[in-house]
Order: sequence, then structure tokens, then C-alpha cells
Amino acid sequence: DTAVSQTPKYLVTQMGNDKSIKCEQNLGHDTMYWYKQDSKKFLKIMFSYNNKELIINETVPNRFSPKSPDKAHLNLHINSLELGDSAVYFCASSPDWGGRPYEQYFGPGTRLTVT
Amino acid sequence: AQTVTQSQPEMSVQEAETVTLSCTYDTSESDYYLFWYKQPPSRQMILVIRQEAYKQQNATENRFSVNFQKAAKSFSLKISDSQLGDAAMYFCAYRRGNTGNQFYFGTGTSLTVIP
Repeated sequence: DTAVSQTPKYLVTQMGNDKSIKCEQNLGHDTMYWYKQDSKKFLKIMFSYNNKELIINETVPNRFSPKSPDKAHLNLHINSLELGDSAVYFCASSPDWGGRPYEQYFGPGTRLTVT
Repeated sequence: AQTVTQSQPEMSVQEAETVTLSCTYDTSESDYYLFWYKQPPSRQMILVIRQEAYKQQNATENRFSVNFQKAAKSFSLKISDSQLGDAAMYFCAYRRGNTGNQFYFGTGTSLTVIP
């Protein structure tokens, strides 16, 4: 049983295109996240949703737009893709503060390559 | 803002030997959680070990143990009897314990295991 799943796992596209990455978790967690991992392996938080409400919105270009249709899903839409968007994007989820333990569970990542 | 520092970009260890990865963090909170994540070449982020700040006892998971020094804000990971499968990037992470949803990650340490 996959806890946090992402689709697609690989995405190759051209500059200027619009693409989406989907994430689903079956853990019953209330909080979901999007991270970007660059070529140097730095993990940068992008967004976080708690029960469909945006709670973390780091400084990312407004070409990136998250959408959470329900608390089990968090999608990431990227408009007008640029070369610098090439990275691995991770979805993660974690239980709310009332739940223990507090670790994050990560999806397998989506490797986005913009040509 | 909380920061997590991993001062060792790369480490290496002989198979069957012991290695310690360093992590320091900065916080004014008293209730928080610390984690070590492993990212092998498959890129999947895997939780290795967690430590609750209110627990004085150091966490242990099989060959992995931590040295948690709360006053010094230090959280090192010790890997005993290193195996080839331990080769990976290791990330230290911090999360506030009460209402904090955000995780703060260090920049990672790349561990090489030499046969």
C-alpha cells in the first residue's frame, strides 16, 4: 500500500509549457507539503496545506499554484515552465499537531526536466 | 526562524565501521522534534530516526542512534557497523512541537561507504 503517491514520476517538457503534478496520501494526515529539491540536493519548502487551507506559502514564482481539492490530495500546477524549474519535486504529508509522531512521509518524487 | 546546520557536506566510512554525522539547530522553543532522513540514489526520502526534545534518552533504531545534546542544540547521528546500503544523503530536520507545521531541513551530508 503506497502511503504518499505522486504522478508522474518523470516529466520532460519544453519551456513555456504548463504542467501539473498530482499527489495523494492515504494516511489520513491533515497536512500536506510541496518541496523542491535542486541539483545540489537542497530541499526547499514551497507550500503547505492543512485541511485544504493554505498555511505555508514560501517565496516562489506565482507561476506555481497549488490546489487541494480535499485533504488527501495536493496538486501542483506550473505555468510557463522555465529551465530553472528543472528539479525533483516532493510531496509529503504529516499528522496534525494532535497526532504523534510528527514525522513527514514523502512521496517518491517527480523529476521535472525542462528543455 | 529556525535553522538547521549540517557542517559536513560529505563523509565516508569503511564498511563495518562506525560513522557520526553532525547536525546543529537554532531554536528558542522548548517543545520540538528532530529527525534524520535518508535519501538513497532511488531518491525516496526515508525516515531513519526521530527524537522528541522532551525525552532525555537518546533514540535508537537498530544500528542507528543519536546523540541529542539539548543545551548545545546538537543532534548527531551515529551509524554502527556501516553497510553498503547505508550510502545515501542524510538530512537532519526540525519541527516545532505544538502548532508548528513547518519542517526545517539541513543541507544534507552525502555518505559514502567504502567496501
